[in-house]
Amino acid sequence: VQLVESAGGVVQPGGSLRLSCAGSGFIFNSYSMHWVRQAPGKGLEWVAIITYDGSKTFYADSVEGRFTISRDDSKNTLYLQMNTLRPEDAAVYYCARSGMFLHYIDYWGQGTLVTVSS
Amino acid sequence: EIVMTQSPATLSVSPGERATLSCRASQTVSSNLAWYQQKPGQAPRLLVYGASIRANGIPARFSGSGSGTEFTLTISILQSEDSAIYYCQQYNKWPPLTFGGGTKVEIK
Repeated sequence: VQLVESAGGVVQPGGSLRLSCAGSGFIFNSYSMHWVRQAPGKGLEWVAIITYDGSKTFYADSVEGRFTISRDDSKNTLYLQMNTLRPEDAAVYYCARSGMFLHYIDYWGQGTLVTVSS
Repeated sequence: EIVMTQSPATLSVSPGERATLSCRASQTVSSNLAWYQQKPGQAPRLLVYGASIRANGIPARFSGSGSGTEFTLTISILQSEDSAIYYCQQYNKWPPLTFGGGTKVEIK
């Protein structure tokens, strides 16, 4: 199993950024997928989940209405569209795979750094 | 939202000794509790799920126990490579999925 995130970047407050995550080594459309973030020197914060079939999405309150998780199973790719970015969104963002039936996280990407600064 | 509280914040243990990490949930999570290990500069790694089921490839010195609101991760014979931050996570009632604040295990 491999999960490889796209490069993050530096974005101004109020700006937008889209992260992507390519999955390989497993049947991508059989698994729900998450984004989890970690601010510098801080703990883990769950951001969003999309079900295996893409029919349902759920978000942390802190990003609801600003972030959108999506997937393209034809490309084995997970996305996170981040709009109206705030300084507190600065973090390493991890793409992660759910366990088959329950939502622990069994595989993580290497993470990508998003900096929000003017 | 279920709040996960880990203790202690930092644990200093000598090699070969036992390390006991605690995780408490603000309401019952049944056995829907996972533990992760994170080393500096790395992504977290799944150690235990279902409160007590070791993930693939995890050494037997790592064991999880508990149910309901009280959980424990035990590292039976601490090795130098076990220096890391350990997080618990509940997946019983979501969204949101919630993590504890972490316990840093230091090697004396």
